[in-house]
Amino acid sequence: ETGVTQSPTHLIKTRGQQVTLRCSSQSGHNTVSWYQQALGQGPQFIFQYYREEENGRGNFPPRFSGLQFPNYSSELNVNALELDDSALYLCASSLRLNAGSDEQFFGPGTRLTVL
Amino acid sequence: KNQVEQSPQSLIILEGKNCTLQCNYTVSPFSNLRWYKQDTGRGPVSLTIMTFSENTKSNGRYTATLDADTKQSSLHITASQLSDSASYICVVSRLTGGFKTIFGAGTRLFVKA
Repeated sequence: ETGVTQSPTHLIKTRGQQVTLRCSSQSGHNTVSWYQQALGQGPQFIFQYYREEENGRGNFPPRFSGLQFPNYSSELNVNALELDDSALYLCASSLRLNAGSDEQFFGPGTRLTVL
Repeated sequence: KNQVEQSPQSLIILEGKNCTLQCNYTVSPFSNLRWYKQDTGRGPVSLTIMTFSENTKSNGRYTATLDADTKQSSLHITASQLSDSASYICVVSRLTGGFKTIFGAGTRLFVKA
């Protein structure tokens, strides 16, 4: 176990709805990254939060947004859900000490299905 | 363009056999390269992490190599077990302010009895 938890484990939504996914990072970690993984594909980077500020973003539209809280837990919000948003959403926490020590520890993921 | 390419896409081997998975990358400037194991429907779990100066790193039956000159890495699995059936993902991090990481699509390994 990595110490990173995500909730919920599974979620079913319909097109146009909004969803919030949650992640609790490993104790002592200050950085959280979110990834989208479609079936049979590698994870795609959505964005990263470091000390409550967005610190890098992948090629995802603005309807994907996030937050990081003072305790370094995080939320991923997706508005106006589309069918293609169906995927496994992974959260990874890490401790940023220097340029070479960003080993990420992943949570078990949230499986989102959009109908 | 920063990319990570893995081969083969999938692989079937018999229990007890060895196998090698490949990863080629064009990510620059390079920070580190990691191999992850991901069971179906679960989050990836780190196997090895290597920086520019490291050529090889082992974790039990898993041995990763890195050639930073040719930008190639391999993951060798020795004496495979049924529990090795999973996706193996190569991940390369850029040395930028955002620590941007690029994931390969993974190699799906099936170990058969």
